[in-house]
Amino acid sequence: EVQLVESGGGLVQPGGSLRLSCAASGFTFSSYAMSWVRQAPGKGLEWVSAISGSGGSTYYADSVKGRFTISRDNSKNTLYLQMNSLRAEDTAVYYCAKDLDYGDTAMGLLDYWGQGTLVTVSS
Amino acid sequence: SYVLTQPPSVSVAPGKTARITCGGNNIGSKSVHWYQQKPGQAPVLVIYYDSDRPSGIPERFSGSNSGNTATLTISRVEAGDEADYYCQVWDSSSDHLWVFGGGTKLTVL
Repeated sequence: EVQLVESGGGLVQPGGSLRLSCAASGFTFSSYAMSWVRQAPGKGLEWVSAISGSGGSTYYADSVKGRFTISRDNSKNTLYLQMNSLRAEDTAVYYCAKDLDYGDTAMGLLDYWGQGTLVTVSS
Repeated sequence: SYVLTQPPSVSVAPGKTARITCGGNNIGSKSVHWYQQKPGQAPVLVIYYDSDRPSGIPERFSGSNSGNTATLTISRVEAGDEADYYCQVWDSSSDHLWVFGGGTKLTVL
């Protein structure tokens, strides 16, 4: 059974940093691209970042480019999102999600999602 | 930036057919995916590549895509289908490579 469990969320001041983790199990982690998608309170879904299965290719939404860094440790079956220079508008539930298609390329077609971790940016 | 436009809400009586649209410039040339999200839960993929269904998704869920509109159709709607529905496409020219529509709240009357 595929499981994705996010952690690392919490309350942080504007300008601060936070690192999210996503522990994966139930599939060959290194064979699938992964994404982070966020949802601000009461709002819709926003794709944030994606990474290929090998970690060799990364992709970012313009809204987070230069501030967020996606990475993965395939030996630990774990996905990360390092978030720096956080702003109030980054407040959201952050979901990690797995690509449906097997292969290194990130397709952004997400068949399994974690339950999310809440990040609140406030002073 | 590529924009996907969904109606904020759709209402339907149980047993009837619900159609949720997703509008975008020449969206028919793209692959559209649909997600269902119930309150307090993570999204669930219900349709991918315009009209394919993941395993476990009822046949009542179907999709189509042509011209400037993609449509998610839910036949014989049940109370359990009440949820938010989001369409999604990939667009290399967008500031978000993978673009989501604003979401549609399906209410079962």
